[in-house]
Amino acid sequence: DTVMTQSPDSLAVSLGERATINCKSSQSVLYRSNNKNYLAWYQQKPGQPPKLLIYWASTRESGVPDRFSGSGSGTDFTLTISSLQAEDVAVYYCQQYYSSPRFGQGTKLEIK
Amino acid sequence: QVQLVQSGAEVKKPGASVKVSCKASGYTFSTYGFNWVRQAPGQGLEWMGWISANNGYTNYAQKFQDRVTMTTDTSTSTAYMELRNLRSADTAIYYCARGGGHEFSHSDYWGQGTLVTVSS
Repeated sequence: DTVMTQSPDSLAVSLGERATINCKSSQSVLYRSNNKNYLAWYQQKPGQPPKLLIYWASTRESGVPDRFSGSGSGTDFTLTISSLQAEDVAVYYCQQYYSSPRFGQGTKLEIK
Repeated sequence: QVQLVQSGAEVKKPGASVKVSCKASGYTFSTYGFNWVRQAPGQGLEWMGWISANNGYTNYAQKFQDRVTMTTDTSTSTAYMELRNLRSADTAIYYCARGGGHEFSHSDYWGQGTLVTVSS
């Protein structure tokens, strides 16, 4: 199994500042035949289902604000929120879907 | 617009089975698959498996291999997840989510979740 480890577990950022969440996989999730990283990011607010933000490591889902961006390849990935808004308070999960899909443990993002 | 509407909350006794439904609308049902994901109270997300709505092919997480059955009904555009031999650790919110047409895919639309409580 490819295990996903996120850091930090929790994060407090001031409004308007940059938030960065890291995700590391125990094995590469880059499929060389199509050069795609099988990595997604989700946002989950209390009492709601997860919402897809980013897939293929860096493709923003339709309707997701452009302050959200994903980067990385192979085993190391990053979700960046360029200017934190109040509505971004949530738990964020990375997920690999290269093999039997696994989620990271989640990162709780709060306002400082 | 794409919608996934799940069945209501369930309370089950240990050893019983539960079957959660997920009715899809707003897209061509057989073009996609379904991922099933659960979330225990206060915990993270756990992938349970995937089913193709095109041909019924399934890929279950090893942890659930012997207790879960996923099916689809194309006549009603509904996906189902049945979990047998329930124990207290199965108390969780169960989500269906639209996946790709192949087994390893991200999930772009999610149901509202179904709370399953296992208690004697």
